[in-house]
Amino acid sequence: NAGVTQTPKFQVLKTGQSMTLQCAQDMNHEYMSWYRQDPGMGLRLIHYSVGAGITDQGEVPNGYNVSRSTTEDFPLRLLSAAPSQTSVYFCASRFDSGSYEQYFGPGTRLTVT
Amino acid sequence: SQQGEEDPQALSIQEGENATMNCSYKTSINNLQWYRQNSGRGLVHLILIRSNEREKHSGRLRVTLDTSKKSSSLLITASQAADTASYFCATDAIYSGGSNYKLTFGKGTLLTVNP
Repeated sequence: NAGVTQTPKFQVLKTGQSMTLQCAQDMNHEYMSWYRQDPGMGLRLIHYSVGAGITDQGEVPNGYNVSRSTTEDFPLRLLSAAPSQTSVYFCASRFDSGSYEQYFGPGTRLTVT
Repeated sequence: SQQGEEDPQALSIQEGENATMNCSYKTSINNLQWYRQNSGRGLVHLILIRSNEREKHSGRLRVTLDTSKKSSSLLITASQAADTASYFCATDAIYSGGSNYKLTFGKGTLLTVNP
């Protein structure tokens, strides 16, 4: 199993540009989520999904969109990038909501200038 | 807002010593988990303790949970230089207005083990 994969590893955007961070898992996990990690802030939940076709907001959803058309993929879209979105983004998955460990991808380091 | 808060923010010890990190949280939980993050890497799951459990062991790790105080501790015994990393607690809970569990993280403790 490849586990949770994320692409790209690094990305530089200009303010106002849009892009999609890709996330895929091959463990047949129902639950997937996106976090951002900023210095001194720990990890903050952006959006999550409990299954294909179902998504919900986390703590910091503004400026981000998600969709879940398949069990395997959970892309995160930045509609109009802002410098405040400079961060490291982690995708994670687990078998189901509640009582299961979460598996993390290696992260995408995004810089918005 | 973030659910868990780790204490201390940073901890520096010598190899062979024990390291204790604490986590406090605010609302009722389903379970509490601890993760490790090496510099520049993703998080790796260490241990999960359910709300009806009080103590759990895994190798050199010992986790306790006190739901009456809404707190948990992670003890790493006989620390090694390879244990140098950030450690995060994460609480699994349903939040008001929601119907699904969310796993939310604290800000972490940076542990440095000096050889």
